[in-house]
Parts: sequence; structure tokens; C-alpha cells
Amino acid sequence: DAGVIQSPRHEVTEMGQEVTLRCKPISGHNSLFWYRQTMMRGLELLIYFNNNVPIDDSGMPEDRFSAKMPNASFSTLKIQPSEPRDSAVYFCASSWGGSNTEAFFGQGTRLTVV
Amino acid sequence: AQSVTQLGSHVSVSEGALVLLRCNYSSSVPPYLFWYVQYPNQGLQLLLKYTSAATLVKGINDFEAEFKKSETSFHLTKPSAHMSDAAEYFCAVSDYAVDKVIFGPGTSLSVIP
Repeated sequence: DAGVIQSPRHEVTEMGQEVTLRCKPISGHNSLFWYRQTMMRGLELLIYFNNNVPIDDSGMPEDRFSAKMPNASFSTLKIQPSEPRDSAVYFCASSWGGSNTEAFFGQGTRLTVV
Repeated sequence: AQSVTQLGSHVSVSEGALVLLRCNYSSSVPPYLFWYVQYPNQGLQLLLKYTSAATLVKGINDFEAEFKKSETSFHLTKPSAHMSDAAEYFCAVSDYAVDKVIFGPGTSLSVIP
């Protein structure tokens, strides 16, 4: 397996634009996580899906952020409209059994909003 | 509520010296504890995991960690640092009561030749 695949690796966008980040989890994994990493706030869990259903979205900052998982092999994180404070590295991770099992991380998407 | 603290945001050791990275946690039920490593421009990778089977857990690259319930600690050690160990290290906690993993703030390890 190629591991968790995220695209794009880098994204630069202007404030107010819509941004969509994509993730393909490891085949067979039933849990998917979106994290945001910044120097100031560290690694924050944004949303957690189990069997394609959102289980915990308490970390989603505000209504500008939305995430979907239409099937077991694909998820998106959308920011609309984007703001400079959204600049961060966004990681997708997957596991075979929820939060208590090893999470496999993608390489991340570095988002810069100017 | 679960929480994780990592003492020391930055640790420097000489090559060949002992590595000790500290982690303390709080959890109302028996926890699962993890150490992850992040190399520059990479995602996190699991080093080792505690699941109550044994208090001393061995991981990859000669890292190990000891679970001490009385001290609520899960410190990470390696007998001899290698240059390739320079990275960011994260301690994390989860449990059955709350299906959520909480990461600590991370410790950046530098290895001096």
C-alpha cells in the first residue's frame, strides 16, 4: 500500500478563496482523521470519521470549515472562504480501529493564505 | 479529561548520549499511550504504543518507554543518540471512555555531533 495520500502537497491561495484538501486513506482502514498543525497551537484534531460517518467534529474551527467522506477511500476538507489565519499544515491520518490504534499519517498539505 | 504535557519544548544531546524525553498524562481510565516521531516535512510515524500488556514498551530504532502509573508518566528513552534521531517527538494519550487521541505539544530533539 502507498500509505495515506494527500493532495495537494502545497497550496497557496488568496484570502476569500475556496480551498479543498484531499485525502485517500489506507485501504481497509475504517477511521480517518483530519489534523491541523501550527507553531502556535501544535497538532489539533479537526474531525474524526469512523466508517465514513463523522464521529467528532468538535475541533472544526467554525462554519467556514467542512469535511466529507463520501466513501471509504476518499475524504475532503474544505475551507470557504479562506483566511490568512488558516495557514497551517493539514494532515490526514487513518487507522483500522479508531483512536486507540496506530494512526498512519499522510505527508500533509501546507496551506498558505495570502 | 485527557491531557498530555511534555517537559521541554527543545532537548539537545550529543551523539552517542542518552536520550530522555519526558511525557506526563492525565486520564480518568486506563490509558493508551503513544510516542510518535515527525521528521522535517513529513507526517507523524508511530515509535511505540502502550496498551497495558507490559509497562516497558520497546519501539523502533532502539527507542523504549516505561509506563509508570504512580507518576502518570510515559518517558521515552534511547541509550545512544544518532544524528538521524533529530526530529520532533509527540506523546499522545487516548482511552476507551473518550474515543479521541490527544497529542502533547511536542519536543524537538537536536543531536550534536
